Amino acid sequence: DVKVTQSSRYLVKRTGEKVFLECVQDMDHENMFWYRQDPGLGLRLIYFSYDVKMKEKGDIPEGYSVSREKKERFSLILESASTNQTSMYLCASSPRQYGYTFGSGTRLTVV
Amino acid sequence: AQKITQTQPGMFVQEKEAVTLDCTYDTSDPSYGLFWYKQPSSGEMIFLIYQGSYDQQNATEGRYSLNFQKARKSANLVISASQLGDSAMYFCAMREGIDSWGKLQFGAGTQVVVTP
Repeated sequence: DVKVTQSSRYLVKRTGEKVFLECVQDMDHENMFWYRQDPGLGLRLIYFSYDVKMKEKGDIPEGYSVSREKKERFSLILESASTNQTSMYLCASSPRQYGYTFGSGTRLTVV
Repeated sequence: AQKITQTQPGMFVQEKEAVTLDCTYDTSDPSYGLFWYKQPSSGEMIFLIYQGSYDQQNATEGRYSLNFQKARKSANLVISASQLGDSAMYFCAMREGIDSWGKLQFGAGTQVVVTP
């Protein structure tokens, strides 16, 4: 089975900190995605990547950046965390044109 | 504009009953795929069922079936014989076109609570 691993289940960070959320997949998938999930809003796409060093903005990229130096790893970076970035962050991977496999999520609280 | 609409924020269903979760979508692309995911309280997203826009028959997977009405742009999920373990948030999602890099757009979700 494909496995997508997110490095942290829960994180608490202070306002202004630089935050790294890591995601690793083990099935050589081309595509990787970062979403945030908020009540009543569903999942919203932050960034995605379709190849190493390639990235595309999703619907809500402001305040975030990403890095994909290796095919299996896709990192989400909050340059200067703010309280409105408190959320559940979900990473997913997929081969082209198929459904996702998700990680178990990182619940980030910014205080 | 919202591409995926789930109008039921939450619902209760009795054990062993069937439940229908509504999903409507908006796209002008003739090629698209529709997905349903389940998210229990533990947080992981579990893939349930997929329907392609060109599929002639409604998709089924065990107790899950998808009532696909293309002209109405609806893709309702039917869970038959509900179990307590079906209590979860359910998300409908759509992938548009063949050059979308596999991006999925999600609805807001429906919280289902199964009662004994």
